[in-house]
Amino acid sequence: AQKITQTQPGMFVQEKEAVTLDCTYDTSDPSYGLFWYKQPSSGEMIFLIYQGSYDQQNATEGRYSLNFQKARKSANLVISASQLGDSAMYFCAMREYNQGGKLIFGQGTELSVKP
Amino acid sequence: GAGVSQSPSNKVTEKGKDVELRCDPISGHTALYWYRQSLGQGLEFLIYFQGNSAPDKSGLPSDRFSAERTGGSVSTLTIQRTQQEDSAVYLCASSLDRGPLSGYTFGSGTRLTVV
Repeated sequence: AQKITQTQPGMFVQEKEAVTLDCTYDTSDPSYGLFWYKQPSSGEMIFLIYQGSYDQQNATEGRYSLNFQKARKSANLVISASQLGDSAMYFCAMREYNQGGKLIFGQGTELSVKP
Repeated sequence: GAGVSQSPSNKVTEKGKDVELRCDPISGHTALYWYRQSLGQGLEFLIYFQGNSAPDKSGLPSDRFSAERTGGSVSTLTIQRTQQEDSAVYLCASSLDRGPLSGYTFGSGTRLTVV
């Protein structure tokens, strides 16, 4: 079974609008962390935001926020006020603390921001 | 160093040859991870080193793949008898420890092409 599922292979958004990238996860470990990474065409992996399973509030980092719905096992990334530089691949990842420190990644969503 | 360094950045090899990929993590980072990213795909976990513990090799796709980490620092990923399906970008990451706020820093990757 897929641990991390990103159902949107590609997304388009108009510049300055908000966009939500979906991520669902599957784990029986009560202690886990959820991460979002951005990968531009240059290939580098850029950390965006982190949410711990015990965190009471949704994580926010500037224009990025994580809509964490624990009962639904979803951790959607919301990007507000999209910019042309946001065009990239976005990966959701999970670390289960009983499985050590490794991150398990989803297949990614390619976001294109239109001017 | 300031970041995770990987070498070579590009490698073209003939089918059946052995290759070695090198990762130099951030100084002091105790955990080191290898991932593989095929074209247009997510990151596939390969192997994980944490301090002096036995590595988690659960992601290695076959016994042609092996990795070692000398002196708790530099790591080498070796692929023996390379096959065309081994063509991918191999990414290395390091982190300070297993704590939830420990970010993962990725290298720029080695693009391996098997011809």
